[in-house]
Amino acid sequence: DAGITQSPRHKVTETGTPVTLRCHQTENHRYMYWYRQDPGHGLRLIHYSYGVKDTDKGEVSDGYSVSRSKTEDFLLTLESATSSQTSVYFCAISESWLQGRQPQHFGDGTRLSIL
Amino acid sequence: KNEVEQSPQNLTAQEGEFITINCSYSVGISALHWLQQHPGGGIVSLFMLSSGKKKHGRLIATINIQEKHSSLHITASHPRDSAVYICAVVRSNYQLIWGAGTKLIIKP
Repeated sequence: DAGITQSPRHKVTETGTPVTLRCHQTENHRYMYWYRQDPGHGLRLIHYSYGVKDTDKGEVSDGYSVSRSKTEDFLLTLESATSSQTSVYFCAISESWLQGRQPQHFGDGTRLSIL
Repeated sequence: KNEVEQSPQNLTAQEGEFITINCSYSVGISALHWLQQHPGGGIVSLFMLSSGKKKHGRLIATINIQEKHSSLHITASHPRDSAVYICAVVRSNYQLIWGAGTKLIIKP
């Protein structure tokens, strides 16, 4: 299994509080992704990174920011959490930008509840 | 209308049955992925295919590019096959578009 660790695995917090989710990889892959998964929807890309300090927006980036200061770590931050951000968040990695042409490897997910 | 549609949304079957899960899409693609999400949440890639058929153990994936349709088959299904099966298509710009998944339950 690809070495991807997400932390925390579960979090419950209140509306308006800041939240940071961490994704740590040991595979030295260049590309990292944050997705959210909601009932009735496919995975939706929030942000992705193509290198240290190189990030870009996905399709549902509003309300989220990311940072990548080291190859192995990709942080997702909700500056002021809202109830609509209650979701399961997945981190994924891939070796190249051919995102679709190579399998992505996923972390085990973080279940986030905003009350 | 979603660009990737999976059917059925939910499927319950008895152990041993032949299972078919369908994925239809409305955009031009260069490849298609099938993934499996276990009840614990982990997502694992099963197949990537751009034409024809691929087989791995009891799993078979087929794709018909002209008809914009792919199927995932499971032969001799087993309770451990219970999971959500996800289809994702690859657009020409390498963007992935994800289906909502099919929840499969295999009863002993």
